[in-house]
Amino acid sequence: KAGVTQTPRYLIKTRGQQVTLSCSPISGHRSVSWYQQTPGQGLQFLFEYFSETQRNKGNFPGRFSGRQFSNSRSEMNVSTLELGDSALYLCASSLARDMENSPLHFGNGTRLTVT
Amino acid sequence: KQEVTQIPAALSVPEGENLVLNCSFTDSAIYNLQWFRQDPGKGLTSLLLIQSSQREQTSGRLNASLDKSSGRSTLYIAASQPGDSATYLCAVHDRGSTLGRLYFGRGTQLTVWP
Repeated sequence: KAGVTQTPRYLIKTRGQQVTLSCSPISGHRSVSWYQQTPGQGLQFLFEYFSETQRNKGNFPGRFSGRQFSNSRSEMNVSTLELGDSALYLCASSLARDMENSPLHFGNGTRLTVT
Repeated sequence: KQEVTQIPAALSVPEGENLVLNCSFTDSAIYNLQWFRQDPGKGLTSLLLIQSSQREQTSGRLNASLDKSSGRSTLYIAASQPGDSATYLCAVHDRGSTLGRLYFGRGTQLTVWP
């Protein structure tokens, strides 16, 4: 069974541009979450989607947005990029079977560099 | 707000040693705790999940324990190998949060030298 797939693996953008990252969850998984990882802040939660609905959102500015499609694939968008947005963006999916025993499975991430 | 702390931040040991990595969390109202491994530039690989009602989980040379009342978990790695070199992260699924929202520690960077 294929794991969580994130594309692209690497991106280089200029300040002020916008970017869209894509995530395909494990087949059958309906819950998708996004995290930002930086050396200074560690792993920070961005948002979570289930059945095309945003269920939770972290403490990030409105420049960060996301969505989920009917096939559970998800995209996140960052507009008006800033240097501080340079990070590894990780997507995770879950079967969402029950709260006690539904591990998150992560993709390899998209490395975004803003110059 | 849940806070997760991992000690030590870095660890360097010779091959063959048995290791203990520590994780503590501030709110004991959790669904589960997960241990992950992260290789440089890669994503997170799930190692073990311990449900709140469980005391420990084992997978090969890995054993994770959970003491929910004291807010602590340990990851025990037996007979360490150079291939175990990576960053190990623990994450808590808080009962006040949704399924996909985990609270992560900053990790322990492990180096096992031959």
